[in-house]
Amino acid sequence: NAGVMQNPRHLVRRRGQEARLRCSPMKGHSHVYWYRQLPEEGLKFMVYLQKENIIDESGMPKERFSAEFPKEGPSILRIQQVVRGDSAAYFCASFTTGNEQFFGPGTRLTVL
Amino acid sequence: GIQVEQSPPDLILQEGANSTLRCNFSDSVNNLQWFHQNPWGQLINLFYIPSGTKQNGRLSATTVATERYSLLYISSSQTTDSGVYFCAVLGGSYIPTFGRGTSLIVHP
Repeated sequence: NAGVMQNPRHLVRRRGQEARLRCSPMKGHSHVYWYRQLPEEGLKFMVYLQKENIIDESGMPKERFSAEFPKEGPSILRIQQVVRGDSAAYFCASFTTGNEQFFGPGTRLTVL
Repeated sequence: GIQVEQSPPDLILQEGANSTLRCNFSDSVNNLQWFHQNPWGQLINLFYIPSGTKQNGRLSATTVATERYSLLYISSSQTTDSGVYFCAVLGGSYIPTFGRGTSLIVHP
């Protein structure tokens, strides 16, 4: 039973480019959280997704950031026109309703 | 939203020592988890423990939901226990809140 998968593990972008981060939940999980972790800090909630639905995106910046979880395929976190302040580790976690969440290995984004 | 405070923020131990990490939260919760983030950045599930006591090897955890705190016990610590320990809670909303973590260093 495969765990949560994220790719790429490391992503380097220049300022102004787009970053696409992917998350495949555990089998049977239809809920996903995305988090951002800055160095030496805890995890900050960004967005909560179910299949084909955005449940809560209150933790996500209003501009440049978007997320989706289509009926088929992985969840995608998209950052347009990246800036240096977007450099961070981005984690996703999947879960079933009311149960424990399981984390992927994260994507470390570096913006040059 | 719910506030989560973890203590101590930093902890340095000699191998073999025991320790207790604390997580206080400001409101009632439906879900509480403890995670270990290892030095490579991976988040490892330790306990899913909204209430009660659980044990797994050298680790155990207790959550007293009525008093709004949880404790993580590490016995006979090993160098591989080094890393950051996070507590995460889920209250009435479905937005999880993480504490700032306890950074643990275990020296050989």
